[in-house]
Amino acid sequence: DTAVSQTPKYLVTQMGNDKSIKCEQNLGHDTMYWYKQDSKKFLKIMFSYNNKELIINETVPNRFSPKSPDKAHLNLHINSLELGDSAVYFCASSRDRGETQYFGPGTRLLVL
Amino acid sequence: QKEVEQNSGPLSVPEGAIASLNCTYSDRGSQSFFWYRQYSGKSPELIMSIYSNGDKEDGRFTAQLNKASQYVSLLIRDSQPSDSATYLCAVSDTGTASKLTFGTGTRLQVTL
Repeated sequence: DTAVSQTPKYLVTQMGNDKSIKCEQNLGHDTMYWYKQDSKKFLKIMFSYNNKELIINETVPNRFSPKSPDKAHLNLHINSLELGDSAVYFCASSRDRGETQYFGPGTRLLVL
Repeated sequence: QKEVEQNSGPLSVPEGAIASLNCTYSDRGSQSFFWYRQYSGKSPELIMSIYSNGDKEDGRFTAQLNKASQYVSLLIRDSQPSDSATYLCAVSDTGTASKLTFGTGTRLQVTL
């Protein structure tokens, strides 16, 4: 009965590759988020969707593209991976914007 | 640039003592304040939220907010070894939690 799940849990890849991370929530929430946590543990929001509509789009390289096929899913595609993209990426969801955010287990991305 | 500042620690307290974690923020328009706990290798989980000046208590945890001083704190009474984790302060500039700005976290160590 996982609430917010992410796949894969670990991702090791070469520079220049394209990769995707998937997120699913079974809480019936309307809002989903992507966060990046760097090696210094700094957690920063990247994107947020509410009812499949993009509502937050922080200053991230356009190599990062989120996609929300439905309210329960929010995927993150990254083109032309760079060393600096190495981080833990967390998906989160909330019942609506302004409600408590529940985080997924994270995807640990290592770019070599 | 909106900033949330925390002492990175580690803050070391003996078991049974009170742990005091502090956070300052730069945006005077901030309205919602949150404390998340993150165990090593795990995802953040919300432990307290506070929206108005004063104290808010929940079990062993007390959040304190002083908007005039742009200061929010978390007190943990009767600290337990299981409280050892990184505590993240998060601030939202709206009345909702839709866009959170996180501090870098304070690592708490509760010693036996």
